[in-house]
Amino acid sequence: NAGVTQTPKFRVLKTGQSMTLLCAQDMNHEYMYWYRQDPGMGLRLIHYSVGEGTTAKGEVPDGYNVSRLKKQNFLLGLESAAPSQTSVYFCASSARDTEAFFGQGTRLTVV
Amino acid sequence: DQQVKQNSPSLSVQEGRISILNCDYTNSMFDYFLWYKKYPAEGPTFLISISSIKDKNEDGRFTVFLNKSAKHLSLHIVPSQPGDSAVYFCAASVSYNTDKLIFGTGTRLQVFP
Repeated sequence: NAGVTQTPKFRVLKTGQSMTLLCAQDMNHEYMYWYRQDPGMGLRLIHYSVGEGTTAKGEVPDGYNVSRLKKQNFLLGLESAAPSQTSVYFCASSARDTEAFFGQGTRLTVV
Repeated sequence: DQQVKQNSPSLSVQEGRISILNCDYTNSMFDYFLWYKKYPAEGPTFLISISSIKDKNEDGRFTVFLNKSAKHLSLHIVPSQPGDSAVYFCAASVSYNTDKLIFGTGTRLQVFP
C-alpha cells in the first residue's frame, strides 16, 4: 500500500525555471494538501483541495499554482522559481475532517 | 504571528524515562489538536489527537493533555524508547477543519540508552 507518493524526491532548479511537483494518493481521499517546511518554522499550507476539480489558497500561496484534475492526483507548479522557494515540500491527503497522511517530501533547491 | 508555539527546539531523555513535549497556542477558537512525528527524510506521521471537549487522550505509551484555560497541550511518552527519537509537531485547527491546520515549529526528541 503506497499511501501518498511524491515525485521527484530531490530537484535543483535555476532561478526563473519552472517545474511541477507530482502527488498521488491511493486511499480515495477527498482532501489533498501541499505544505512547505522551512528551518525554524512549522509546516505551512500552500494550497489545498477539497475534491476533484477544486483548489483553494492556503497560508503561503504566492508563486505557486495547483491543479486537481483527478481525485488521486494533486500537482504543485512553480512558474518561475525563486531562491525563496528553496524548501522541503510535503503533499498530504485526508478523508473529510480526519488526520492527514503525508508523503515523503520533495527537497527543492533553487540556485 | 505564531499561533502554535513549541518553545523547546530539542529535548534529550534517557530510555525508560518520561518524555514531555509542550505546545502553546494563542487562538482560543482552536478546538482540535494533533501531534505528528517525523523521522529524517520521511513525511510526518499522525500520532495522536484530542478535541477540546476532552482534557486527556491516551494511546498506549502516548498521552496528550489539554489545558484550555492555559491554552497549552503536552504530549507524554512513557516509557521513552530510542525509536521515539524524532521531530514532534503539534498542530491545531478550528472545528476539525483539517484544511486549516496550523503547525508548530517542532521539537526534536532524542532518547538515549
